[in-house]
Amino acid sequence: AAGVIQSPRHLIKEKRETATLKCYPIPRHDTVYWYQQGPGQDPQFLISFYEKMQSDKGSIPDRFSAQQFSDYHSELNMSSLELGDSALYFCASSLGRGVEQYFGPGTRLTVT
Amino acid sequence: AQSVTQPDIHITVSEGASLELRCNYSYGATPYLFWYVQSPGQGLQLLLKYFSGDTLVQGIKGFEAEFKRSQSSFNLRKPSVHWSDAAEYFCAVDADSGGGADGLTFGKGTHLIIQP
Repeated sequence: AAGVIQSPRHLIKEKRETATLKCYPIPRHDTVYWYQQGPGQDPQFLISFYEKMQSDKGSIPDRFSAQQFSDYHSELNMSSLELGDSALYFCASSLGRGVEQYFGPGTRLTVT
Repeated sequence: AQSVTQPDIHITVSEGASLELRCNYSYGATPYLFWYVQSPGQGLQLLLKYFSGDTLVQGIKGFEAEFKRSQSSFNLRKPSVHWSDAAEYFCAVDADSGGGADGLTFGKGTHLIIQP
């Protein structure tokens, strides 16, 4: 079965640079979620979109923004990167809201 | 705000032995409850979920979990573990349980070690 696709899988950036992470949900899924998982930590919810509209907002820094496009894929844009932004970034998708979320393999971002 | 507590940071179990991982949540109503498993450097795989109805839910890979409202618990069990079960296990809550695309709140995770 098709799963959530994230790209790139690994990304290395320097401080103060920008990064864009992409997420392609499971076909027919209309809801996308973004999470950040620091080393040895639990995933922290950042933001979600339903039918291309922002639905819920968690602990997303002001330096980050995200959107969902007409084909339901989503992009997380990160600016003025800091060392503390180094983490695994997961995208999850669901069919509708309030149901189970399926996670992608993650993008490992390293900021040097 | 809702919270999830996984009291055991590490658990070591012998292969073939039974397993129980604990999860307690703090929320006024009955939330949606999930267990996810994560292998090192990998994504999170959904093991099972509880929305309503039968309080004993079956999941993949031989796992089950029981929702106990009186104890605000949702413990994960497996009758006989395999070496491939070694991983990080996360309990998660969707506390809105309504119509929003809410983010999940995760516990800190339990690291399961399997002894031969």
